[in-house]
Amino acid sequence: KAGVTQTPRYLIKTRGQQVTLSCSPISGHRSVSWYQQTPGQGLQFLFEYFSETQRNKGNFPGRFSGRQFSNSRSEMNVSTLELGDSALYLCASRTTSGGNTEAFFGQGTRLTVV
Amino acid sequence: GENVEQHPSTLSVQEGDSAVIKCTYSDSASNYFPWYKQELGKRPQLIIDIRSNVGEKKDQRIAVTLNKTAKHFSLHITETQPEDSAVYFCAASMLSRGDDKIIFGKGTRLHILP
Repeated sequence: KAGVTQTPRYLIKTRGQQVTLSCSPISGHRSVSWYQQTPGQGLQFLFEYFSETQRNKGNFPGRFSGRQFSNSRSEMNVSTLELGDSALYLCASRTTSGGNTEAFFGQGTRLTVV
Repeated sequence: GENVEQHPSTLSVQEGDSAVIKCTYSDSASNYFPWYKQELGKRPQLIIDIRSNVGEKKDQRIAVTLNKTAKHFSLHITETQPEDSAVYFCAASMLSRGDDKIIFGKGTRLHILP
């Protein structure tokens, strides 16, 4: 069974640009969550999608958005990039939304904003 | 607000000794508490979890305890080994708009000293 796949693995962007990250969950998993990981801040929750609907949202500005497709693949978009957006972006898939089920993480996309 | 506090941020223990990491959570409705281990350059992986209907759970050298009244839970690693060196994240489920989301602490960097 293939794990959670994130593309690309590394990305360098310039301030003001926008970026789209992709996450393919484990087959059969319908919930995808996104997290931002920075040194000292741990894993900060961005949002969660289930069945193409955003179910939960963290405390990030509107520049951060996402969507989920019918095959459960999810994309995250960040517009008007700022230097502070440099981070490792992790997605995690679960079988369902809620239900206290294990979250499986992808390898992450390392975004550097210059 | 929704919050998971984790202490300490860094922990160094002699190989063979025990390590304890403590977390507190804010939402009294939280009922699922997973712990993740992230080795350098790798994705976070679940090592143990506990649900609110039990006070303690063990898996070989790892144990987690939960005190729902005080809203805190702890990870205990006994007979530590070099491969235990990693960043450990506690997490708690938070009920929001009818769905759970998993909120993580900021992590503890565990160093096992030879």
